[in-house]
Amino acid sequence: AQTVTQSQPEMSVQEAETVTLSCTYDTSESDYYLFWYKQPPSRQMILVIRQEAYKQQNATENRFSVNFQKAAKSFSLKISDSQLGDAAMYFCAYYPGTYKYIFGTGTRLKVLA
Amino acid sequence: NAGVTQTPKFQVLKTGQSMTLQCAQDMNHNSMYWYRQDPGMGLRLIYYSASEGTTDKGEVPNGYNVSRLNKREFSLRLESAAPSQTSVYFCASSLTQGGDTQYFGPGTRLTVL
Repeated sequence: AQTVTQSQPEMSVQEAETVTLSCTYDTSESDYYLFWYKQPPSRQMILVIRQEAYKQQNATENRFSVNFQKAAKSFSLKISDSQLGDAAMYFCAYYPGTYKYIFGTGTRLKVLA
Repeated sequence: NAGVTQTPKFQVLKTGQSMTLQCAQDMNHNSMYWYRQDPGMGLRLIYYSASEGTTDKGEVPNGYNVSRLNKREFSLRLESAAPSQTSVYFCASSLTQGGDTQYFGPGTRLTVL
């Protein structure tokens, strides 16, 4: 079965520090897409970053970057210079090309002032 | 450009009552989705519509029906609500189903008593 695992239910980071959220997935596909979504207390799901599996280069969006290890089936999210507004639930998602996006169970990130 | 809109934002039903959740997008997207979010379980796909005129079951379709009314609108109907359907429901859309970014609505919190 294709699954996405986020092993850290909750993480904390000091403001201005760096934090890494982990995500692993199980697949037999060679071409697929990976995503990180942020869900703040407002409940609105917002795309943070998107990675295409055939691209070797890790995606970045300002303070957000990923470490994509295809052989290890790992897709971690690094948040640099953490801000109070980064506090949210973060969901890792995987699209294997079967019309269905598969989501992990989420990691709650707390940012400490 | 409102993106993805959902109505209502909150709803309380009694067991056995029916209701329809409405979703509309103004981004000219072809694919639309309905998810439910339960604590500790991430997002689970209920139904999706790859393109106008087509719908298909996701991971948890039992107890639900959908209608792709036109390219913009995708509704979710609960014919006879059950307490197990208490959840937060999200509608999402993407340009195609081929690994494109999904854009989410604000969600509907449904409680079934």
